[in-house]
Amino acid sequence: NAGVTQTPKFQVLKTGQSMTLQCAQDMNHEYMSWYRQDPGMGLRLIHYSVGAGITDQGEVPNGYNVSRSTTEDFPLRLLSAAPSQTSVYFCASSYSGAGGGQETQYFGPGTRLLVL
Amino acid sequence: AQSVTQLGSHVSVSEGALVLLRCNYSSSVPPYLFWYVQYPNQGLQLLLKYTTGATLVKGINGFEAEFKKSETSFHLTKPSAHMSDAAEYFCAVSEGYTGTASKLTFGTGTRLQVTL
Repeated sequence: NAGVTQTPKFQVLKTGQSMTLQCAQDMNHEYMSWYRQDPGMGLRLIHYSVGAGITDQGEVPNGYNVSRSTTEDFPLRLLSAAPSQTSVYFCASSYSGAGGGQETQYFGPGTRLLVL
Repeated sequence: AQSVTQLGSHVSVSEGALVLLRCNYSSSVPPYLFWYVQYPNQGLQLLLKYTTGATLVKGINGFEAEFKKSETSFHLTKPSAHMSDAAEYFCAVSEGYTGTASKLTFGTGTRLQVTL
């Protein structure tokens, strides 16, 4: 299994440009999440999904859109990039199992985004 | 609302010395607690987690953590540090609700340096 994969690894955008960060997992996990990591702030949840067609907002959703049309993929869209969105983005997936917050999340390698 | 406090953004120990990384949490319901490790330019990897049962939890690479409800703490320890332990460590809390995915709240991280 490849686990959780993310593309691209690194991206430079100009303010106002749009882009999609790709995330895929081959573990048949129901749950998927997007986090951003900023220095001194740990990881913060952007959006998450508990299954195909179901998404919800996390702690910092503004400026980001998501959709989940398949179990495997969970893309994150920036419609109009801003310098404040410069960050490292991590996608994670988990198996529902016992659910209720106990499940282990498996993280991708991250995408470094620089917005000029 | 749940929150996590990690005391000390940087910790330096000598090889062979005890590693102690501190984590305190706040949660309105019985929490699930996690420690993740991040090596340079990589995603996060689960070290260990506490869900229910035994309060002393053993993880990978010789790490362990003890859940102390009275102190709202989940400190991470390792008896003898190795150079390969140098990384950033994140404590996270999840409030469990049946049927929902975990929404992790992370601490700000502690960077562990191991010196000869």
